[in-house]
Amino acid sequence: EAGVAQSPRYKIIEKRQSVAFWCNPISGHATLYWYQQILGQGPKLLIQFQNNGVVDDSQLPKDRFSAERLKGVDSTLKIQPAKLEDSAVYLCASSPLPEHNEKLFFGSGTQLSVL
Amino acid sequence: GQQLNQSPQSMFIQEGEDVSMNCTSSSIFNTWLWYKQEPGEGPVLLIALYKAGELTSNGRLTAQFGITRKDSFLNISASIPSDVGIYFCAGQGIQGAQKLVFGQGTRLTINP
Repeated sequence: EAGVAQSPRYKIIEKRQSVAFWCNPISGHATLYWYQQILGQGPKLLIQFQNNGVVDDSQLPKDRFSAERLKGVDSTLKIQPAKLEDSAVYLCASSPLPEHNEKLFFGSGTQLSVL
Repeated sequence: GQQLNQSPQSMFIQEGEDVSMNCTSSSIFNTWLWYKQEPGEGPVLLIALYKAGELTSNGRLTAQFGITRKDSFLNISASIPSDVGIYFCAGQGIQGAQKLVFGQGTRLTINP
């Protein structure tokens, strides 16, 4: 079974530039998550989708971050404009059942460096 | 907001030793989980706990859901080199209905 696919693996940009990350969850997983993991910390939820609807985006900095999952499958996360403090690993995860969304399957992440 | 505190932050042990780490919270959780993250990869679920007092094993790993619902423990017996990584606890207030809150991780290093 293919895992959660993310691209790119690494991205280096300058502050105030924009960047986009892509995620393809495990086939059949209705729930998709974007997490931000700053070095030395645990993952922090940015946004949760159930199919193509947003369930929780309370911790998404909406002035600069946006995410979409238009067809209920793959998803993109965008940052515009980026700040230095956005340097982190951005992890995408999916889960098979809404009632067991504690069981997350993570991708390998995109490591973002903002200079 | 809810926060989880893991200890120790890092551990340096010899191969073959047993490992113990814990996670505490000021809030009650109804689900506790333990994930492991290796370099360059996302976290992988090791053990999920759903009842206070529950003790669950996965091979050499054993985790317990504290009876106060505010803590959890993970033990690794007879450590081997592939146990190296960062171990995260995570809590959920209401199963299936609330987002996971992750601890800051315990980094395990093993000397062969």
